[in-house]
Order: sequence, then structure tokens, then C-alpha cells
Amino acid sequence: NAGVTQTPKFRVLKTGQSMTLLCAQDMNHEYMYWYRQDPGMGLRLIHYSVGEGTTAKGEVPDGYNVSRLKKQNFLLGLESAAPSQTSVYFCASTLLRGGQPQHFGDGTRLSIL
Amino acid sequence: DQQVKQNSPSLSVQEGRISILNCDYTNSMFDYFLWYKKYPAEGPTFLISISSIKDKNEDGRFTVFLNKSAKHLSLHIVPSQPGDSAVYFCAAIGGSQGNLIFGKGTKLSVKP
Repeated sequence: NAGVTQTPKFRVLKTGQSMTLLCAQDMNHEYMYWYRQDPGMGLRLIHYSVGEGTTAKGEVPDGYNVSRLKKQNFLLGLESAAPSQTSVYFCASTLLRGGQPQHFGDGTRLSIL
Repeated sequence: DQQVKQNSPSLSVQEGRISILNCDYTNSMFDYFLWYKKYPAEGPTFLISISSIKDKNEDGRFTVFLNKSAKHLSLHIVPSQPGDSAVYFCAAIGGSQGNLIFGKGTKLSVKP
């Protein structure tokens, strides 16, 4: 039972390159989320999805795109990476909202040079 | 404009004593409050939650207290153990989207 799996775990990019972070969950959860965590900061919501085929913007969506083509997968894309996007990215999922805890992956550490 | 505030970046406690982590919030419409624990190189893991209609919730060594009039909640860990050393995040759920809003975290160190 893997829970929430994020790939890759580490990545170094050059400014202007693109990449996609993959999040997969095997708990049949409806809701999925992408967060970023920067030093001295809490987790900030980038984008989220309330079900297959849906996406919505969170607190810090600029520079990122997402897709939820399958219920179990939530992809986060950086079209043109910038040094300000250097961060640790966490994916989370939950079955229901309203008090249900979110289950987190172990994160992707991304460095943009 | 921080809606969830953890004003203590770090806390050091002796093993066996009580750890008290504090959290303040500004939005009186929050429905639930949650505490997550995070070890280095791992994702946050859910610890305990409390509904806004309650004032206390207990789970083993962990108790969360909610004071709605003061817009304040606290997490008590008794007795503290070295394995409790981690960063603790306070989070709240509310608003039209019902998303989690996190504080900046408090790093707890429990010394043997």
C-alpha cells in the first residue's frame, strides 16, 4: 500500500527548462493537491483538483500548470523554470474535505539554476 | 496576511516533560484545525484534529485545545519523547473552497 507517491524525488534544472512532476495515489481519493514549501514558510497551495478532469488555482499558481486526466494521477508542470521556483514540492490527497486529513507524499526537491 | 500563525519557530523540551505548541488564527470561519508532524526528507503526517465546535480532543499522548474566543489553539504532548522531535504544522480548513491553510511550523526538539 504505497499511499501517495511522488516522482522524481530530486531534480536540478536550468532556468528556462521545463519539467513535469508526477503524483500518484492508490487510495481512490477524489481530491488532490500540490503544495510548495520554502525555508521558514509553511506549505502553500499551488493548484488542486476536486476530481478527475478538474483543476483549480490555489494561493500561488503563477508559473505552474496541472492536469488530472486520471483519478489516481495529478501532474504539476513547469513550462519555463525560474530560480524562484526552487522549492520542495509536496502532493497530497484526501477522500473528502471538511475535516478529513490529507495524505502527503514525501516530496520532490527541485533546484533551478 | 497570515491567517494561521505559529509565532515560535522552535521549542526545546526535556524528555518526559510536557511540550506545548501554540497556534493563532485570524479567520473565525475556520471549521476544522489540524496538526501535522514532519520529519526531514518526509512528507507531513496527520497527527490530530479538532472541530470548531469542540474545545478539546485527545489521542494518546496528544491533546489539542481550542479557545475560539481567543482564536488560539495548542497542542500538548505528554510525556515528550525524543522521537517527537520534528517540525509541527498547525493548519486550518475553511472558506468557500475548504482548503488547508498552514502555519509556518514550529521545530520541536526533545532532549534525552
